[in-house]
Amino acid sequence: GAVVSQHPSWVICKSGTSVKIECRSLDFQATTMFWYRQFPKQSLMLMATSNEGSKATYEQGVEKDKFLINHASLTLSTLTVTSAHPEDSSFYICSARDPTSPGTGKETQYFGPGTRLLVL
Amino acid sequence: AQKVTQAQTEISVVEKEDVTLDCVYETRDTTYYLFWYKQPPSGELVFLIRRNSFDEQNEISGRYSWNFQKSTSSFNFTITASQVVDSAVYFCALSEPYRDDKIIFGKGTRLHILP
Repeated sequence: GAVVSQHPSWVICKSGTSVKIECRSLDFQATTMFWYRQFPKQSLMLMATSNEGSKATYEQGVEKDKFLINHASLTLSTLTVTSAHPEDSSFYICSARDPTSPGTGKETQYFGPGTRLLVL
Repeated sequence: AQKVTQAQTEISVVEKEDVTLDCVYETRDTTYYLFWYKQPPSGELVFLIRRNSFDEQNEISGRYSWNFQKSTSSFNFTITASQVVDSAVYFCALSEPYRDDKIIFGKGTRLHILP
């Protein structure tokens, strides 16, 4: 199947700093990517939908000024956590939709391996 | 509104037993997709199945099987002859292609297979 990578896989930072997480689709062009956040022992919560060349659409309750999303190319979306605080510590996962995926029964969205963020 | 409910928070079974994970969904659309994902301790999501709303055929893949019933809005997942390696968190999820295709996850069921 298609591969989506995330970088970095782990990041530890001090409170108040900004952290950028990259999500790349390695063998297909993704016009749409999604960003999820998962707190320990909880489910994945969709944060925003990232469309190439346009502004991201944020889910209710997600601060767009705190979580900056840039989808500047068909293979790269970035999530920047600005002025990170300990409560932003979480597992961030992106997914990329492959518009050319075959139909029924096949995976059409591919998830990255996730980025663990720890804010001290 | 779209919603996925996994009522079982945590299940423990002894190895070789069969186990069924329940999933009930809500959607306003007639066209939608249902998924199951496995999340081992490493955190990476492992895709198991995607089913569209027009295909109610049950699916079997090795020790895994899925029972999709639109009448009860359920998409249950059964593991037969469970193994310790099946221990993980399992998520049921829903997407609606006319709503950006974003995937909405249930809260997950943590499955412990005891040796």
